[in-house]
Amino acid sequence: DAGVTQSPTHLIKTRGQQVTLRCSPKSGHDTVSWYQQALGQGPQFIFQYYEEEERQRGNFPDRFSGHQFPNYSSELNVNALLLGDSALYLCASSFEQGYDTGELFFGEGSRLTVL
Amino acid sequence: EDQVTQSPEALRLQEGESSSLNCSYTVSGLRGLFWYRQDPGKGPEFLFTLYSAGEEKEKERLKATLTKKESFLHITAPKPEDSATYLCAVQFRGTYKYIFGTGTRLKVLA
Repeated sequence: DAGVTQSPTHLIKTRGQQVTLRCSPKSGHDTVSWYQQALGQGPQFIFQYYEEEERQRGNFPDRFSGHQFPNYSSELNVNALLLGDSALYLCASSFEQGYDTGELFFGEGSRLTVL
Repeated sequence: EDQVTQSPEALRLQEGESSSLNCSYTVSGLRGLFWYRQDPGKGPEFLFTLYSAGEEKEKERLKATLTKKESFLHITAPKPEDSATYLCAVQFRGTYKYIFGTGTRLKVLA
């Protein structure tokens, strides 16, 4: 059973560019959350998707947007990249009804470097 | 502002030397407190969920406890394979957001 898969694993962009990161949730999971983890920090909540809708958003600017597809996979888009966007972007999936159990399954992340 | 603080930032132990990691929080209306383990270059891996003060959970050499304002992760007789960053996260009522601490980097020496 495949866990959460993310792509690409590493990428380098320059300031002002746009990036799209992709996530396939664990089989059967219907809820996807995205987190940003800067070096030496804990993950920070970006937003969560359920039933193809953004259900909650963290303190991130509108440059960060996302999408969830009918097969529950998800994309994170970041426009007008800044140096401070350099981080590990983590996707986490869960069953919606099990979300409060804390048992999120994380992917290995996409490491974004902005030059 | 809701905050989660973990201490110490880093901890070095000899194999077999037991210790505890702390997670304190200022969240009001706690829904749950969660512990995760993160290995270098990997995503966090779920360990425990605690819901109410007095609750305890155990898994192998790890035991998590919860009071009204903090949680402890006790590591008994650790082994080198327990080396990792341990993250604490909280969720408060009415929200789907998990608030993570900055983690404790644990190194267990053989």
